[in-house]
Amino acid sequence: KAGVTQTPRYLIKTRGQQVTLSCSPISGHRSVSWYQQTPGQGLQFLFEYFSETQRNKGNFPGRFSGRQFSNSRSEMNVSTLELGDSALYLCASSLVGGVGANVLTFGAGSRLTVL
Amino acid sequence: KNEVEQSPQNLTAQEGEFITINCSYSVGISALHWLQQHPGGGIVSLFMLSSGKKKHGRLIATINIQEKHSSLHITASHPRDSAVYICAVSLYNQGGKLIFGQGTELSVKP
Repeated sequence: KAGVTQTPRYLIKTRGQQVTLSCSPISGHRSVSWYQQTPGQGLQFLFEYFSETQRNKGNFPGRFSGRQFSNSRSEMNVSTLELGDSALYLCASSLVGGVGANVLTFGAGSRLTVL
Repeated sequence: KNEVEQSPQNLTAQEGEFITINCSYSVGISALHWLQQHPGGGIVSLFMLSSGKKKHGRLIATINIQEKHSSLHITASHPRDSAVYICAVSLYNQGGKLIFGQGTELSVKP
């Protein structure tokens, strides 16, 4: 079965622009979580969605937002881009979400460069 | 001090050697994950542990909940094992919210 699909894989934006990244989970998976990876900070949790509801949120400014659709696909949006937003953005899906831990399947990531 | 600490940060081994990567954490967890990341970025989940020991092929992962410590062992290492290995914990009652270690970059020489 198809894995977790992230689009676009690579993109270049300029400061002040906004960007939308997409994540299609494995069929049947209802939880999608997003992570940012930078050389300086490593991997950091952004947010988790389950059944169209945000279940958990990391310590990121309000410029970072997300949503999940009824088919479990998720998007994240970053507005007013800053140079420091340049990163690899990864999403992961799991069968269920919420309280307990679940095995995660990661997408290949979307690499964002902000100029 | 980071909530999840890995050691060593870098490791070079000869093919065939036994490798151990350690992870210590200071928070309450529902599970611990070992992840593998190859150049290019893709992450693969190797193990999810809440107690005891798991084995998959040449990889073994153990966790000691009382000591808040986990180890990842690679037996008979091979150059294709070269990757970054990342320890991450799922916080208790917070599902997909992971806290990550800084990663261990492993290079296995032929």
